[in-house]
Amino acid sequence: DVKVTQSSRYLVKRTGEKVFLECVQDMDHENMFWYRQDPGLGLRLIYFSYDVKMKEKGDIPEGYSVSREKKERFSLILESASTNQTSMYLCASSLHGKETQYFGPGTRLLVL
Amino acid sequence: GESVGLHLPTLSVQEGDNSIINCAYSNSASDYFIWYKQESGKGPQFIIDIRSNMDKRQGQRVTVLLNKTVKHLSLQIAATQPGDSAVYFCAEAWGGLIFGQGTTLQVKP
Repeated sequence: DVKVTQSSRYLVKRTGEKVFLECVQDMDHENMFWYRQDPGLGLRLIYFSYDVKMKEKGDIPEGYSVSREKKERFSLILESASTNQTSMYLCASSLHGKETQYFGPGTRLLVL
Repeated sequence: GESVGLHLPTLSVQEGDNSIINCAYSNSASDYFIWYKQESGKGPQFIIDIRSNMDKRQGQRVTVLLNKTVKHLSLQIAATQPGDSAVYFCAEAWGGLIFGQGTTLQVKP
């Protein structure tokens, strides 16, 4: 079974803090993705990566950056957290671009 | 841009009944579709997929139907159980995945 893990289930941070969300997959997948999920807005793609050290902007990259130094790990970084970044963050991976994405359990982030 | 939508935000069914969750997609060139289930507080979980060269695919208690003529996708759940209560998303593969908003399935005991 594919396993995607996220470092935290719940996080509480203050405005202006730097926040790191970590995601690890154990199936040697090429592609990894970061989404945020908000009521009424569904899943929105923040960033994705097709290979190590490669990254592509998704639909809402502003205020975020990512890092993929190893194939199995994809990190989402909030350089200076703001209250409008309070959300559920979901990481996903897939073997190839147009294949099923497998999701982690999510990190619920609250920025105060 | 392209969009994927579900017809109803909430569907309430009696335990034991069959459930049908619908989804409309707008990109006629999309060739792969996926249904996900998301339980409260968890990440989306893959249920079943279908490629555009098929019009029906069956899994365990679930069936996905694809009607390319009207760009419509449906998920049928047989003998719905309380554990089926969740939000169900369809997704369309066009570039990456484009997700619908989700339908909440409520199962009444």
